[in-house]
Amino acid sequence: QVHLVQSGAEVNKPGASVKVSCKASGYTFTNHLLHWVRQAPGQSLEWMGCINVGDGSSISSQKFRGRVTLSSDTSATTASMELSGLISEDTAVYYCAREAADCFDLWGQGTIVTVSS
Amino acid sequence: QAGLTQPPSVSKGLRQTATLTCIGNSNNVGYQGATWLQQHQGHPPKALSSRGNNRPSEISERFSASRSGNTASLTITGLQPEDEADYYCSAWDNSLGAWVFGGGTKLTVL
Repeated sequence: QVHLVQSGAEVNKPGASVKVSCKASGYTFTNHLLHWVRQAPGQSLEWMGCINVGDGSSISSQKFRGRVTLSSDTSATTASMELSGLISEDTAVYYCAREAADCFDLWGQGTIVTVSS
Repeated sequence: QAGLTQPPSVSKGLRQTATLTCIGNSNNVGYQGATWLQQHQGHPPKALSSRGNNRPSEISERFSASRSGNTASLTITGLQPEDEADYYCSAWDNSLGAWVFGGGTKLTVL
């Protein structure tokens, strides 16, 4: 069965960095792009970026450029998203999502990131 | 922050039909279409349709997507209580070089 399993909840101080991981199983990891999407409390979804886990190339939303780093480890079938310079507005649920058949067809369970002093 | 426009809420009766809309422009919805996602409270989103309006195999035939110009639509027939959820559209925006989402529509089944 195909799954994306994300790392656990995080509480971080303003100015710190957070790294969220996303482990894939049940499919050929390198065949699909992996996207990162976040959702602030009571808000809509917001695309952060995506990575071609096969070659490691990535693109990100202009909003997060310079603050977000996307990476992947094909041997561990794991992708990661690191966000630096955290502010309170970064408090959100962070999701990884697989792109397949022209849609985001598989989602991780979400990782709650809280930014608080 | 939403790049696509969706009505905040829609209410319909049990077994009725709901049509949700998503308005974009020629750089996003009009460019390659939109995908649709369903999200129940406290759960991750679930894909309902692709940019080509194809439905994943596990999704009920009661859900169908279409597009006319810069407007995408999701039609849900025979509404059931479990259809009560938030629905989001998303599209690749070729001018921004980014995926954009709608603000979401909360569907209430009366």
